[in-house]
Amino acid sequence: SQQGEEDPQALSIQEGENATMNCSYKTSINNLQWYRQNSGRGLVHLILIRSNEREKHSGRLRVTLDTSKKSSSLLITASRAADTASYFCATVQISSGSARQLTFGSGTQLTVLP
Amino acid sequence: AAGVIQSPRHLIKEKRETATLKCYPIPRHDTVYWYQQGPGQDPQFLISFYEKMQSDKGSIPDRFSAQQFSDYHSELNMSSLELGDSALYFCASSDGTGGHWTQYFGPGTRLLVL
Repeated sequence: SQQGEEDPQALSIQEGENATMNCSYKTSINNLQWYRQNSGRGLVHLILIRSNEREKHSGRLRVTLDTSKKSSSLLITASRAADTASYFCATVQISSGSARQLTFGSGTQLTVLP
Repeated sequence: AAGVIQSPRHLIKEKRETATLKCYPIPRHDTVYWYQQGPGQDPQFLISFYEKMQSDKGSIPDRFSAQQFSDYHSELNMSSLELGDSALYFCASSDGTGGHWTQYFGPGTRLLVL
């Protein structure tokens, strides 16, 4: 991956349990985003956290960001079988120009068993 | 709500052939991004356009070119196709008024080069 690693690469849990995925990155960032991808399908934006934020919530999602460690975590609470997907973190680097492209991590494959 | 439209959804080509992928961004979005996702890989940024001008360039081979038209749709032209070009190609669009941070992805075009 151009950015860094996601941990774990694969995670299998029972419905109702919480799932935590971690992401590390290499550069200074403006913001970090999490995306979800169902097998072979498009990427769906989940949540964005800015570099000056430490934690953000959206429904069953909780994201943390530690810029000193260049890492982020995504927590999905009370997981459902429909949460089964690949989850990617993606960063937008600090830039004085127009650059807004996303640099993706290698993704975590989450399987939620009914 | 309208989403990003990509066509075709699937494409099979022979080595050394050419391919053209099309992307129709969300209405009123002024920025288009192209990403390539190889099998089991994370998405890699190829190129972006803002207001019909090339904005940033990533790991796009010289055999590929792209442009954004007056109606804001974009086309990715791929020539002298190689087996390694087989991948999912995603287009994403964003709204400049929001700072471009959130990108909305299309369903992707799956290209298979034989």
